[in-house]
Amino acid sequence: QLQLQESGPGLVKPSETLSLTCTVSGGSITSSSYYWGWIRQPPGKGLEWIGSISYNGRTYYNPSLKSRVTISVDTSKNQFSLKVSSVTAADTAVYFCASSGPRFMGTLVYWGQGNLVTV
Amino acid sequence: DIQMTQSPSSLSASVGDRVTITCQASQDISSFLNWYQQKPGKAPKLLIYDASNLETGVPSRFSGSGSGTDFTFTISSLQSEDIATYYCQQYANPLTFGGGTKVEIK
Repeated sequence: QLQLQESGPGLVKPSETLSLTCTVSGGSITSSSYYWGWIRQPPGKGLEWIGSISYNGRTYYNPSLKSRVTISVDTSKNQFSLKVSSVTAADTAVYFCASSGPRFMGTLVYWGQGNLVTV
Repeated sequence: DIQMTQSPSSLSASVGDRVTITCQASQDISSFLNWYQQKPGKAPKLLIYDASNLETGVPSRFSGSGSGTDFTFTISSLQSEDIATYYCQQYANPLTFGGGTKVEIK
């Protein structure tokens, strides 16, 4: 059973870069056919997909955020990370990491508990 | 981008009632649609995948149907523990969520 845990600062200043890490346990981040993603939820609002990365390192980003987002994998630590540059108050949200496991990229089966980031 | 229009945005029903939520895609997404349940302060939970398949361990009172652009999510007999916000989500290209439906007990 995969378990995911987000970590990172809860407060980021405007114009700076937001950085979060998701640590994976119960499985390998290099598992074939697995996808790893980030989703965010502003306070009191709905869910927004930020982007995903595949088991072989291919990235997929929300077009509306693509210019500011980078998702990467650290296989040595069994982690994947999110960076959002030039943040504003509109980037204040709970950030979730998630995984599809061996299913389609968009079927998010495993989720972290979420990390509130305030800009 | 594919837009997902979910309705209603909120509803109030009695325990035992049948509850129906609809989701409309702005273009054909075949059956590339999932439904999630999110309780306050928690991460979303996958309930239905590929429009109509019940995720393992999810009670059978939850169901989904539809294909193309029009989809329906149903709770056959609402229980108190079903109080949550429900989201549809397409993954045809690439991935977007509906606006959510908040379900409350009357």
